[in-house]
Amino acid sequence: DVKVTQSSRYLVKRTGEKVFLECVQDMDHENMFWYRQDPGLGLRLIYFSYDVKMKEKGDIPEGYSVSREKKERFSLILESASTNQTSMYLCASQGTGRLGEQYFGPGTRLTVT
Amino acid sequence: KNQVEQSPQSLIILEGKNCTLQCNYTVSPFSNLRWYKQDTGRGPVSLTIMTFSENTKSNGRYTATLDADTKQSSLHITASQLSDSASYICVVSANPMTTDSWGKFQFGAGTQVVVTP
Repeated sequence: DVKVTQSSRYLVKRTGEKVFLECVQDMDHENMFWYRQDPGLGLRLIYFSYDVKMKEKGDIPEGYSVSREKKERFSLILESASTNQTSMYLCASQGTGRLGEQYFGPGTRLTVT
Repeated sequence: KNQVEQSPQSLIILEGKNCTLQCNYTVSPFSNLRWYKQDTGRGPVSLTIMTFSENTKSNGRYTATLDADTKQSSLHITASQLSDSASYICVVSANPMTTDSWGKFQFGAGTQVVVTP
């Protein structure tokens, strides 16, 4: 059974803290994604990685960075958390090919106070 | 402006009834269109994927249609069940050969469906 796991379901952090969100997939997929989801806006791409140590900015990368040291793990880093980064964060992975299925993790609800 | 627009924003239907959700897009050139179901507090799960040449695809009680000429898609739910209560998201991808990154899916804001007993 396909699995994408995220390190936390709920997280509460203070403004200015450094925050790490981790995502692990067990499907040997090359492509991994980080999205944030806000009411009425749909999912927005933060960063995309198509291979180990390779990354590409999405639509809203400001305030975020990523790390992909191993194929199965893709981390999202909030260098200095701010209240406008309060959101649902979703990780996804996808196999090769433009028709590859995209599998999502359960999401991390991050609250920055 | 969002390149994928969904309607209605939300709808309430009685258990056992049918409903149709709409998706209009401007993404071009078109590669494929996906419908996802997202239960509250969970990640989206794929229902269907359609390419330019496909105009209908079914997954159980879910049937998606695609008109690539008018850039419209619909998702029809037949004989709704309480477990169909969820957000349904339309996602469109551009042709990867003509973009600088094929990692970019364009997501609609979703239609929230509530099925009542």
